[in-house]
Formats: sequence, structure tokens, C-alpha cells
Amino acid sequence: AQKITQTQPGMFVQEKEAVTLDCTYDTSDPSYGLFWYKQPSSGEMIFLIYQGSYDQQNATEGRYSLNFQKARKSANLVISASQLGDSAMYFCAMREAINTPLVFGKGTRLSVIA
Amino acid sequence: NAGVTQTPKFQVLKTGQSMTLQCAQDMNHEYMSWYRQDPGMGLRLIHYSVGAGITDQGEVPNGYNVSRSTTEDFPLRLLSAAPSQTSVYFCASSLAGGRKETQYFGPGTRLLVL
Repeated sequence: AQKITQTQPGMFVQEKEAVTLDCTYDTSDPSYGLFWYKQPSSGEMIFLIYQGSYDQQNATEGRYSLNFQKARKSANLVISASQLGDSAMYFCAMREAINTPLVFGKGTRLSVIA
Repeated sequence: NAGVTQTPKFQVLKTGQSMTLQCAQDMNHEYMSWYRQDPGMGLRLIHYSVGAGITDQGEVPNGYNVSRSTTEDFPLRLLSAAPSQTSVYFCASSLAGGRKETQYFGPGTRLLVL
């Protein structure tokens, strides 16, 4: 079974609008970490934001915020005030126990339209 | 800090040839891993290491070997290249294997097997 599911293969958003990229996860471990990465067309993987399963508040980093709903096992990425430079692939990932690998979803391609 | 470096950036191989993809980090990170990225598949883990002398298999280890003789280096060996190994390969590292440890990625190696 997939541990990380990203159901939106592609998304379009108008410049300056907000957009939500969906991510659901599957784990029975009560302690885990959730990550979002951005991959622009140049190919590098850029870390965006982290949410721990015990964190009381949703994580925020600049224009990025994470809508963490633990009971629903979802960790959606919200990008506010989209910019053309936000056009990229976005990957959700999870790490469960210590010294276990980071597991990735298949990604969502976001296109920002002027 | 150079971060995570990978060489070469691009390689063309013939079926049956062997080669080593190099990965090095200068951040004194204990945890290192290799992923391959194929269209529509996200990032899939090949092998990982939690410290010098310790390696383990990931989701897609067949056809690949790794070793970790130093903290800094984690080379990936293709024993006998096959067209199915055409992919983009990413090396990543993190301070430790903790749940909240962010993995930092190298720039990737694009491999074409003819």
C-alpha cells in the first residue's frame, strides 16, 4: 500500500492566488515527520517545510504553510500569493521510525499562470 | 560547505557496462541515501546508510551495490547496466536518521543506458 498519496498529478493557479496541494499518508506509527520538497525544471530538490506529528501548530515558512489534519492523515501544502517561480513539481514525503528512509509521493506538477 | 555533491552530472552507458556514481557530503551527516526518479513514479529509494560501514536496501535495490567506508562518501555502483536503469539518480544526506531531520539532496546524475 502506498504510504504517501498525492492525488493531483497537475494543478494550475493564477498568479497571486493561493493554491493547496493535497497529501495524504498512511502510518500506524504515532511519531512521524512530514516534509514537502519543490523540484523546479532545473531538477534540484529543495526542502520547503516540515511538520512533526506531535507539533501543536501547523508549520509555516514564508508563503508556505502546512494544513495538518492528523485525524484525517492529511498534510496539505498551501502556497499563498503564487508567483511564476512557484511553477515546479512538489513532493510530499514522510519519515516514520528513526533511521528509516524518507518515503515520497509521486508528486504534483504546479503551473502558475500570469 | 559544498553540501551534497554528485559526479558525473550526465552519463551515457551501453548495456552491460558498469560504472560508479559518486556522492560526497561535507556536513558530517551520518545518514545517506540514493534515490532514482522516473517520470510519474516520484523518488524511489535504492539503498541507504545510517553510518560508515552500515548499509541497507531500499525499495528498488536490484542491479545496484553500495558501500560506506567513510562518513563523507556513499558511491552507487551499477554492476551491469540495463536500459531499465535509465533514470535520474539523487543522493541525499541528513544529520541523523531522526524523524525531523531534513534530507539535503545533491544536484542529480542523469543516466542514459543504450
